[in-house]
Formats: sequence, structure tokens, C-alpha cells
Amino acid sequence: EIVLTQSPGTLSLSPGERATLSCRASQSVSSSHLAWYQQKPGQAPRLLIYGASNRATGIPDSFSGSGSGTDFTLTISRLEPEDFAVYYCQYGVSPKTFGQGTKVEIK
Amino acid sequence: QLVESGGGLVQPGGSLRLSCAVSGFTFETYWMTWVRQAPGKGLEWVANINQGGSDKYHVDSVKGRFSISRDNAKNTLYLQMDSLRVEDTAVYYCARDQRWFDFWGQGILVTVSS
Repeated sequence: EIVLTQSPGTLSLSPGERATLSCRASQSVSSSHLAWYQQKPGQAPRLLIYGASNRATGIPDSFSGSGSGTDFTLTISRLEPEDFAVYYCQYGVSPKTFGQGTKVEIK
Repeated sequence: QLVESGGGLVQPGGSLRLSCAVSGFTFETYWMTWVRQAPGKGLEWVANINQGGSDKYHVDSVKGRFSISRDNAKNTLYLQMDSLRVEDTAVYYCARDQRWFDFWGQGILVTVSS
């Protein structure tokens, strides 16, 4: 089973700042199997990025994904008020796994 | 659209069957998945199933207790949950599975408590 470790646990930033979230896999994985989600309180998760770097439909270009092997990154270039949420990475081969999440909170 | 139903309060050791009614895409051509989220916790993948229902995978913590299935004629996904434990308490989501999960239901709460 692939274990995904996200860091930091919490990121305190101001609107307009850049957010950099990390996801590290316990062993090398194909980038085609790595996805990122956003979740707000009381809502289902929303797919942001699939295949490590492809934006899902309707996702603004302020969100970008990168990485390969064991190290992957989600970047939000300029935080909008609606971007403050919890973000998860996910591995796409069964048994599928999620990272534990990074909370992006308003500083 | 994905709409879950069948959740609720059940005693430890009891059973529930969750359903996920799907519309808006050709259900029979996609893998489908269940994901759960315990109160205040992160996301946990539970199980998935291929288009015809012949390939199924379950997370170790539910193997032998939960079973995923589907009825393509009814555009419905199921999760049969037996021998429920307190630690199975969570919101359960169904989702379309393309390695990543691009469409999600709103979630249904399952509470296991005496």
C-alpha cells in the first residue's frame, strides 16, 4: 500500500499570498495516478488536479500541480477567500489512499 | 448526479445497505468507488468496482464485512455493510472512479452506536 504524507498540516496565509502544499509517497508512483482535492466544511471533496498536473474542468489556473516519483506539489498562486479549505492528495491504484490533508487557513 | 441513501443509526454488529443512484452519465461504462470520512477526520477510500461488477477491491479494514456491488440496469451502486463497528461511523460518499474521483455524491451519514 502506498502511504501519502502531506505537509504542512496547517498553512496560515493571507489572501493574495502563494500557497505551496506537499505530498510525499512512500515509494515512487506514476504521476498519472496522483490527484488533488479541495474540501470545504460540510461539502463533498472537489477534484482539482489529476495526473499530477492536469486541472479538472472548471478549476481556475491559479491552481497548479507538479512533481514526479515520490514528491508532488499543489500550488495556489494567489489565494482567494474561497480557497481557504482542506486539501488532500490521492493515489489512484487500488488500494487507493489519501494523504491526511493540509488545512489552508486565514492568517 | 450521484445521490446516496440508506444511512442512519445502527447498533454495533448490525447491518446497513447504502445505495447511490446515478444520473447524468453512462453509469455502466465507469468504475465506481465508495469513500468515507469519520467525524473531524480525513478521507478514507473504502472500495471500488469495475464496470461489469466482476472486479472489486476493498480496504483491509472492511474486508469480510463490507461488499460493494452495482446494478447497471438501475444505474445504482451499493455498499452492503455487515458486522458494523463504532469505528465505521462516518459520512460515506460514492464517486465516479477514473483513478481519480471526478464526480461525488453529497454524502450520507452512518452512525454506529449503542
